Amino acid sequence: EVQLVESGGGLVQPGGSLRLSCAASGFTFSNFWMYWVRQAPGKGLEWMAIIKQDGSEQYYVDSVKGRFTISRDNAKNSLYLQMNSLRAEDTAMYYCATDSRGRFWGQGTLVTVSS
Amino acid sequence: DVVMTQSPLSLPVTLGQPASISCRSSQSLVHSDGNTYLNWFQQRPGQSPRRLINKVSNRDSGVPDRFSGSGSGTDFTLKISRVEAEDVGVYYCMQGTHWPWTFGQGTKVEIK
Repeated sequence: EVQLVESGGGLVQPGGSLRLSCAASGFTFSNFWMYWVRQAPGKGLEWMAIIKQDGSEQYYVDSVKGRFTISRDNAKNSLYLQMNSLRAEDTAMYYCATDSRGRFWGQGTLVTVSS
Repeated sequence: DVVMTQSPLSLPVTLGQPASISCRSSQSLVHSDGNTYLNWFQQRPGQSPRRLINKVSNRDSGVPDRFSGSGSGTDFTLKISRVEAEDVGVYYCMQGTHWPWTFGQGTKVEIK
């Protein structure tokens, strides 16, 4: 059974940093693109960043480019999102997902940016 | 960015009756590899999104056959043949052809 478990969310002040993790199991992690998607409270979904199987390619939505970094450790079956210079508008549930543009999703981790 | 426009945004439905959601993209979703990456997701209250349909019309494993997808180019439709109580939630179309991938605004399906 595919499992994606996000962690690392919490309350952070504007301008602060946070690192999210996603632990994957139940599939061959190194064979799949991985994704981060977020959802602001009561709002729709936004694809934020994606990373190729070997980590050699990453793509970001403009709103996070230069502030967020997606990475992965295939030896640890883990996906990461380093978030710097956080803003109030980054407040959201953050999901990791995978397989063919979103076949599997985690349960999400909540990030709140507030003073 | 490709804009995905769904209609209606709210859809009250009687149990056992059909429902249909439209999704239009601001440009063609035909990828250079020949595929059309238009997916449909369901998000039940308090849950993560769940993919129902991939590449326009392919039902994902475990998805009831009352859900079907159709369309081409820039116009797509999700149909539920007979709405059940468990179908309540928000439905999103999503294009995975042009980066950044984008979702529609969501259609809230509720029981009358």
